[in-house]
Amino acid sequence: ELKVEQNPLFLSMQEGKNYTIYCNYSTTSDRLYWYRQDPGKSLESLFVLLSNGAVKQEGRLMASLDTKARLSTLHITAAVHDLSATYFCAVDTWGYNAGNMLTFGGGTRLMVKP
Amino acid sequence: DAGITQSPRYKITETGRQVTLMCHQTWSHSYMFWYRQDLGHGLRLIYYSAAADITDKGEVPDGYVVSRSKTENFPLTLESATRSQTSVYFCASSPRWSARSYNEQFFGPGTRLTVL
Repeated sequence: ELKVEQNPLFLSMQEGKNYTIYCNYSTTSDRLYWYRQDPGKSLESLFVLLSNGAVKQEGRLMASLDTKARLSTLHITAAVHDLSATYFCAVDTWGYNAGNMLTFGGGTRLMVKP
Repeated sequence: DAGITQSPRYKITETGRQVTLMCHQTWSHSYMFWYRQDLGHGLRLIYYSAAADITDKGEVPDGYVVSRSKTENFPLTLESATRSQTSVYFCASSPRWSARSYNEQFFGPGTRLTVL
């Protein structure tokens, strides 16, 4: 059974600081997704990481994937209040009938304080 | 409007009642998924479908039934609702899978269901 673990589950940080969210998973996969969810809203795709060593950046967020370590990181640089949300990683384990079946981590709730 | 929609957005029902949550997508995506989101559990897959008339169980299927007679619709039915089924339900869709590329899942707005 695939397990996907994120840590921390909750993160309160000051504006301007840097921090990293970790996503560990328990089986071989070379596709990993990061989603953002604002309170009461749906999930929005942030990054798609398709191979070992993949790195994607968008604004103050940077995601990377190490398939050998079964680890992905989401790094936040100089946090701003607008980044406050819950972030999920999801590991892709394909199957013929399920396409890209995703197993989600528990989420990291990020609060950025002024 | 194009995209993926869910209805109702909010629903309150009583224990033992049958409830159907609707999901409709306009992209003609092959795959559709139902998840539930609960505090402390992230998103858990209930059922998925690879095409019309092809469905299969996910991680937490007990108490739920799905059907997919048309590609664009994927209703989820709670045959006899229980309090433990109080949750936020998300429908998602994705194009046909390819080994050479990725296919994101696109999520609907969600249905907040309360079972009293």
